[in-house]
Amino acid sequence: AQKITQTQPGMFVQEKEAVTLDCTYDTSDPSYGLFWYKQPSSGEMIFLIYQGSYDQQNATEGRYSLNFQKARKSANLVISASQLGDSAMYFCAMRVQRGYQKVTFGTGTKLQVIP
Amino acid sequence: DAGVTQSPTHLIKTRGQQVTLRCSPKSGHDTVSWYQQALGQGPQFIFQYYEEEERQRGNFPDRFSGHQFPNYSSELNVNALLLGDSALYLCASSLQGYTGELFFGEGSRLTVL
Repeated sequence: AQKITQTQPGMFVQEKEAVTLDCTYDTSDPSYGLFWYKQPSSGEMIFLIYQGSYDQQNATEGRYSLNFQKARKSANLVISASQLGDSAMYFCAMRVQRGYQKVTFGTGTKLQVIP
Repeated sequence: DAGVTQSPTHLIKTRGQQVTLRCSPKSGHDTVSWYQQALGQGPQFIFQYYEEEERQRGNFPDRFSGHQFPNYSSELNVNALLLGDSALYLCASSLQGYTGELFFGEGSRLTVL
């Protein structure tokens, strides 16, 4: 079974500062993918970034980067130069890459960007 | 290119009633997954449909059932509604065999009174 743990229920960050959202995962499968999604108050889940378990380099997408530490089973999201529009819930998720596999989500972190 | 569309966006039901939620996947996608997201929680996997068959199921009772049509659209049915079924129901689509991200709709917010 797969498990995602997000230990920060809520975070505050000053506008234009960087923030790190923590995520640890557990799986016995060697092949898996890790994801981060943003969920504004409207409810839609917005895909941010993806990291495959065999990827050698950390994934980056614009202001988002994923700090992937395989030995520690962590996949932290780093948001640089925070903007007011970054205020939302953030979910870490994973999927093993075999068969008809579901995506498992963590409990989320609520990020609030302060002007 | 149309994304994932869900209907209705909001609905209110009473205990014991039945509800049907609908989802049209993103163009080109053939796999639909349904998730339940209770207030303040992460999405919980209900089931996944591919080739009109349920391929995997999460820990949900038989009151939750689904269907996928030849055009890949899908329905989620919940019978004998309970207060605890109040949640945001999210539909996600993907292409079978693709191990990247799921694409989500905006969800159907169900309130059970």
